[in-house]
Amino acid sequence: DTGVSQDPRHKITKRGQNVTFRCDPISEHNRLYWYRQTLGQGPEFLTYFQNEAQLEKSRLLSDRFSAERPKGSFSTLEIQRTEQGDSAMYLCASSLALGSYNEQFFGPGTRLTVL
Amino acid sequence: DAKTTQPNSMESNEEEPVHLPCNHSTISGTDYIHWYRQLPSQGPEYVIHGLTSNVNNRMASLAIAEDRKSSTLILHRATLRDAAVYYCILRASNSGYALNFGKGTSLLVTP
Repeated sequence: DTGVSQDPRHKITKRGQNVTFRCDPISEHNRLYWYRQTLGQGPEFLTYFQNEAQLEKSRLLSDRFSAERPKGSFSTLEIQRTEQGDSAMYLCASSLALGSYNEQFFGPGTRLTVL
Repeated sequence: DAKTTQPNSMESNEEEPVHLPCNHSTISGTDYIHWYRQLPSQGPEYVIHGLTSNVNNRMASLAIAEDRKSSTLILHRATLRDAAVYYCILRASNSGYALNFGKGTSLLVTP
């Protein structure tokens, strides 16, 4: 257990529905990241926050994807109008910005299945 | 971002050393070399990182070639728990601290 938790662990939804995932980072970490991982591939970076500011969101997959971190603590990732191609593992990670390096600690992921 | 090349899979016997290679011929002077691993059904976990000099920690050693165009992750005594996908990642200084994972090397450890 890395200290990063994600909820739910599994989500099954029908195409066209909206889904929201939650990530609780390690409490003192000010950076939070979202990644997506499809079968047989490495994780793919989506977006990241420093405190409540979303500093990188150009790699979100489409405008159906959005993320928030309203109080600089937990974060949510929402996918609107889900498509079958959105089926994947969604991973959250957190880190403490310290000098030139920040080890990322990953949660267990939320597995999304879109029927 | 500079790319890395790793073998798709490797196999090792338990309690023997494992050398996992990574080629990164287009690495820039400020790219750090990171290694993460992902055990089955878990998120990735940090293993080690370095810039120019060889590095050791409790999990592994990182040997970096003098020209920095390749590196090797060394597990000194593989255990069954080391069976995982190992990712070699370069992080550019202007990448926003994103980790750009490739496909990694799937390590099989046999008793």
